[in-house]
Amino acid sequence: DVKVTQSSRYLVKRTGEKVFLECVQDMDHENMFWYRQDPGLGLRLIYFSYDVKMKEKGDIPEGYSVSREKKERFSLILESASTNQTSMYLCASSKGGSGNTQYFGPGTRLTVL
Amino acid sequence: GQNIDQPTEMTATEGAIVQINCTYQTSGFNGLFWYQQHAGEAPTFLSYNVLDGLEEKGRFSSFLSRSKGYSYLLLKELQMKDSASYLCAVRPTGANNLFFGTGTRLTVIP
Repeated sequence: DVKVTQSSRYLVKRTGEKVFLECVQDMDHENMFWYRQDPGLGLRLIYFSYDVKMKEKGDIPEGYSVSREKKERFSLILESASTNQTSMYLCASSKGGSGNTQYFGPGTRLTVL
Repeated sequence: GQNIDQPTEMTATEGAIVQINCTYQTSGFNGLFWYQQHAGEAPTFLSYNVLDGLEEKGRFSSFLSRSKGYSYLLLKELQMKDSASYLCAVRPTGANNLFFGTGTRLTVIP
């Protein structure tokens, strides 16, 4: 079974703090993704990576950055957290190439006060 | 741009059949996925269609018509545990990422 884990289920941070969300997958997948999920808006792609040290912007990259130093790990960074970044953050991974299923982690519910 | 539409909410009775529709307009098409998401949990993969027609998997079936930009997820013999959100997602041509609809929240009542 594919396993995607995220470092925290719940996180509370203050405005202006730097926030790191970690995601690890154990299936040697090439592709990894970060989404945020908000009521009425669905899942929106923030960034994805198709290889180590490679990254591509998704639909809403502003205010975020990512890091992929190892194949199994994909980090999402909020350089200076703001209240409008309060959301559920979901990480996913998939094999390389098209037509492959994305498998999701359990999510991190981030609250920025 | 990408546009994916699905109903916001549906209610159905235990033991019945329900059909959840999804229409899409995307820049090219390379597959449509359905995911199930229980409240507070991660989405889990249900089905994948890339060619026209019906794919059946137990109580769940998914249909695709590429010419109409249309898909549906059919759930038979509904159970209370099927109460969840159902997400339709499309992969554009040449992309590794998916575009998601806002999801349909299904409530199964006794």
